[in-house]
Amino acid sequence: AQSVTQPDIHITVSEGASLELRCNYSYGATPYLFWYVQSPGQGLQLLLKYFSGDTLVQGIKGFEAEFKRSQSSFNLRKPSVHWSDAAEYFCAVATSASKIIFGSGTRLSIRP
Amino acid sequence: DAGVIQSPRHEVTEMGQEVTLRCKPISGHDYLFWYRQTMMRGLELLIYFNNNVPIDDSGMPEDRFSAKMPNASFSTLKIQPSEPRDSAVYFCASSLGDRVNIQYFGAGTRLSVL
Repeated sequence: AQSVTQPDIHITVSEGASLELRCNYSYGATPYLFWYVQSPGQGLQLLLKYFSGDTLVQGIKGFEAEFKRSQSSFNLRKPSVHWSDAAEYFCAVATSASKIIFGSGTRLSIRP
Repeated sequence: DAGVIQSPRHEVTEMGQEVTLRCKPISGHDYLFWYRQTMMRGLELLIYFNNNVPIDDSGMPEDRFSAKMPNASFSTLKIQPSEPRDSAVYFCASSLGDRVNIQYFGAGTRLSVL
């Protein structure tokens, strides 16, 4: 069955430090992969997506993610985090043209 | 565009009452999705529509839940009767047919059933 695993429930990093959020997926075919961010009291906003092509994708707000087929991973990275990056981050995989399965989310806290 | 608009933002009701959540998708989008978010189960797809027609309602938890999309600019999710375990944040999202996987989310409705 298709699934998305985000092994880290909560991560705290210092402002200005680098960030990597982990995501592993299980899907038989070539996946469509996404990262969404949810700020408190808000809906989800798309950060970036991978459909095909270059395995390193750039997104909004300085985020990037790398698709590694051999590891079934799609980790999110940012070289230097800002206090405004504190939010919940969701990795997701599209299992068909329209249905998306979301991971359980990783809550990011920023240490001043 | 104003984005996906959901109302109300917060709803508090008593067990047994009918609850109606509303959603206005982004103009021109032909897919509409309803999700439920809870601490225990995360973000779950309840139902989605294409061109106002329900395509997959396999995520609807039980018969107490129903969803309609009478036109391209409006959808409702109804719970009747409501129960405390229905307390959650309900999100509506919409997408454009040629990029169906890029979904745009509303701010959600936080439902509390007492």
